Amino acid sequence: AQRVTQPEKLLSVFKGAPVELKCNYSYSGSPELFWYVQYSRQRLQLLLRHISRESIKGFTADLNKGETSFHLKKPFAQEEDSAMYYCALSGQGAQKLVFGQGTRLTINP
Amino acid sequence: DTGVSQDPRHKITKRGQNVTFRCDPISEHNRLYWYRQTLGQGPEFLTYFQNEAQLEKSRLLSDRFSAERPKGSFSTLEIQRTEQGDSAMYLCASSSRRALNEQFFGPGTRLTVL
Repeated sequence: AQRVTQPEKLLSVFKGAPVELKCNYSYSGSPELFWYVQYSRQRLQLLLRHISRESIKGFTADLNKGETSFHLKKPFAQEEDSAMYYCALSGQGAQKLVFGQGTRLTINP
Repeated sequence: DTGVSQDPRHKITKRGQNVTFRCDPISEHNRLYWYRQTLGQGPEFLTYFQNEAQLEKSRLLSDRFSAERPKGSFSTLEIQRTEQGDSAMYLCASSSRRALNEQFFGPGTRLTVL
């Protein structure tokens, strides 16, 4: 079964502190992993995907197949990072996305 | 605006009524997806189309739900005999041939069933 687990519904950190949003997945095969972000009053948008190996807005995420994790990290949080973050996976064949429950990140000034 | 658009943005209806939502994908995107999101949850997949063909339907999509994409462009999602449990945000997304796994989302249609 395909499943994405985000154990933290809420995460609050101070500006300038490191932030890590956890994501674990279950999939029998080689999935593609994504992080989507939804800022207040905006639509869901792609933040980054594991195959790109990019750093977007200072965020990075490494796929750990041994631990089946895809945690999102940023060394120095900024207030504009406050948003809802969703981890998602797609199986082979580029079809549906399976989302986690989401983590609401709040950056305190 | 060249993004995915959805209409209406909000719909309030009484239990038992039928509702229809429309999604216009990004021009030339051949894949179109429907998701449902309830409060406190991530989006859940409902169905997707490649051009006009409906290729997969979730078990969440009961026989009261039907989706179409007749000309391979816009899509409609109809819910018949609505129930209070249908209250949710209905999201549409599209992707292109060149980047099938990059889905672009619309703003959603929020349905409230009284």
